[in-house]
This record gives sequence, C-alpha cells and structure tokens, in this order.
Amino acid sequence: DARVTQTPRHKVTEMGQEVTMRCQPILGHNTVFWYRQTMMQGLELLAYFRNRAPLDDSGMPKDRFSAEMPDATLATLKIQPSEPRDSAVYFCASGSTHRGLGETQYFGPGTRLLVL
Amino acid sequence: KNEVEQSPQNLTAQEGEFITINCSYSVGISALHWLQQHPGGGIVSLFMLSSGKKKHGRLIATINIQEKHSSLHITASHPRDSAVYICAVLWETSYDKVIFGPGTSLSVIP
Repeated sequence: DARVTQTPRHKVTEMGQEVTMRCQPILGHNTVFWYRQTMMQGLELLAYFRNRAPLDDSGMPKDRFSAEMPDATLATLKIQPSEPRDSAVYFCASGSTHRGLGETQYFGPGTRLLVL
Repeated sequence: KNEVEQSPQNLTAQEGEFITINCSYSVGISALHWLQQHPGGGIVSLFMLSSGKKKHGRLIATINIQEKHSSLHITASHPRDSAVYICAVLWETSYDKVIFGPGTSLSVIP
C-alpha cells in the first residue's frame, strides 16, 4: 500500500531553533509539494518540485524557509530560525505527471509543528 | 474579494440527503481539485477536473469553465462523509499556482 510518509508527525520546539521536516514521496512519483495549513490562512502551497527541481517556491518565506530534494526518495523542509507564527500543520504531497500540478496528489499525514 | 470562494461555509445534513457544495473562482484556471480533509486532519484528493463531470462512487464533481464554477455532489450521504471539503484551483500561470478555497465543513447526522 504505497503512501507518502512524513516525519516527525509532531514537533514542539522553542523559538529560534532549527526545524527539519522530512517527506518520502510515493516511489515513482516525480512531483512533490509542500503545503502549510493554519486556522487563519487555511491551506497554502509553499513549494513544489518536479523531477527534484524546484519549480515554484514563491509561497515560502525565503529568509527562513528552505526546501530541497537531495534525492528522489526524500524531500526536506527546513525552518531556521523558527518563530511562533510558523506553528502549523505541514503537509507533503506527491504526484506523477509530466505537467506539474495537473494530476491527483497523494497527501502525507502531516507534521504538526508548535513553536513556543 | 478572495479568488476562490466556497458555499456554504458549514453544512449539516441528515443521513441519506443529497448534498451540494459549491466553489466559485475569479481567475483563469487550468484545473480544479476537490480535497477532503477528515476530522483527524488527513487529506485525500477526491477529483481533479478541467471540464465536464467526474463520478466516483457516491461523489460527483462538475465544472463550468465559462461560469468559473464547480460543484461537488454527494448522493445518499452518510456520517462517514463528515469532513471539510476544500476546493483548490490551479491558476493558469506558467507554473499553475494553487489557490485554496476556505473549505466547507460538512456534518452528516445519523
């Protein structure tokens, strides 16, 4: 049963600390997406990759956030330094398409981040 | 005005009722997704459509590109359909930016 996995599932940290979230896309999928969900803003797209290349990260605060795909089986989202306003659920999703966002995405369970 | 709006915001229905959730948008799009978020937080992609209608089990999604409107219908609703339903449009830019609607919270009562 192929699924997207995310670690950690929960993270509590103090303001100023580095946070790294990891995502393992479904094997064979060539697109990976990072989303953030908060009560105030709802779901937002932070970044997405196709064939490991970043295509759009305009939704991501560049000064503290970074997203990478060191290989096809791992995507990372880092926040350094973290701030309380970063508290949210971060979802990773993967898909298989040559066009980017135009196909079904499979969501991971999310990482629930709390920055104190 | 938000680019993507959904109605109703909240919906309570009796088991067995036919349910319609609406999504309207103001930008040119290349496709539209309907997502379902369960009470536990998990998200499932229900449909991706760019024209016409799609059906999966008791769920039907339609889209009218000219009118910039999509509907999600649930026939013979069941308590397990209780979830937040989110419409997401792929804004027709060079990289299809995603804009999410605010979601419709559905509660189906036995």
